[in-house]
Amino acid sequence: GQNIDQPTEMTATEGAIVQINCTYQTSGFNGLFWYQQHAGEAPTFLSYNVLDGLEEKGRFSSFLSRSKGYSYLLLKELQMKDSASYLCAVFGNNRLAFGKGNQVVVIP
Amino acid sequence: SQTIHQWPATLVQPVGSPLSLECTVEGTSNPNLYWYRQAAGRGLQLLFYSVGIGQISSEVPQNLSASRPQDRQFILSSKKLLLSDSGFYLCASSPGAGENYGYTFGSGTRLTVV
Repeated sequence: GQNIDQPTEMTATEGAIVQINCTYQTSGFNGLFWYQQHAGEAPTFLSYNVLDGLEEKGRFSSFLSRSKGYSYLLLKELQMKDSASYLCAVFGNNRLAFGKGNQVVVIP
Repeated sequence: SQTIHQWPATLVQPVGSPLSLECTVEGTSNPNLYWYRQAAGRGLQLLFYSVGIGQISSEVPQNLSASRPQDRQFILSSKKLLLSDSGFYLCASSPGAGENYGYTFGSGTRLTVV
């Protein structure tokens, strides 16, 4: 089975940096995904990690440590449009299992 | 790239009524297909997944069922809806096991059972 934990909510100021953590326990691992979900909308893909280390993609970076069952998503130069829920998801055994998501609220 | 068509966008149904939600995929062949449900304030729960025509795996026991009559068509059904079936239903597709990029989601159906 899979167990994925994320903190529930955080508030940050426009222009700041925020780190969202995710820990997981899984019986099968083929990669970890981060998704962004705005209220009432479907999730959209942000990043994918399958090897340990940091993947950088513009203002967003994602880190993975497989031995620790840990990942984080780093959001830099926060913008108001970044206010959303950020979902950590582990792919294994032919399926993607999601955490409950972390709600990020960006304030001016 | 894949495109997922999911309809309807919003649905209000009485308790005990049947349900049929449809999802079709364009831009890929033999995808893995998934139905997820997201209850208010909660995470995405995997309901069913399919790796091919007629192949359905159920993740949680419930009064819902799924079918895959064609390669790029995935249907979620119920004979009698319960209040607890309310939620945001999302269809998702991936090109196949082992592909190293993210799923594509449909736009979702918000179901309210009254």
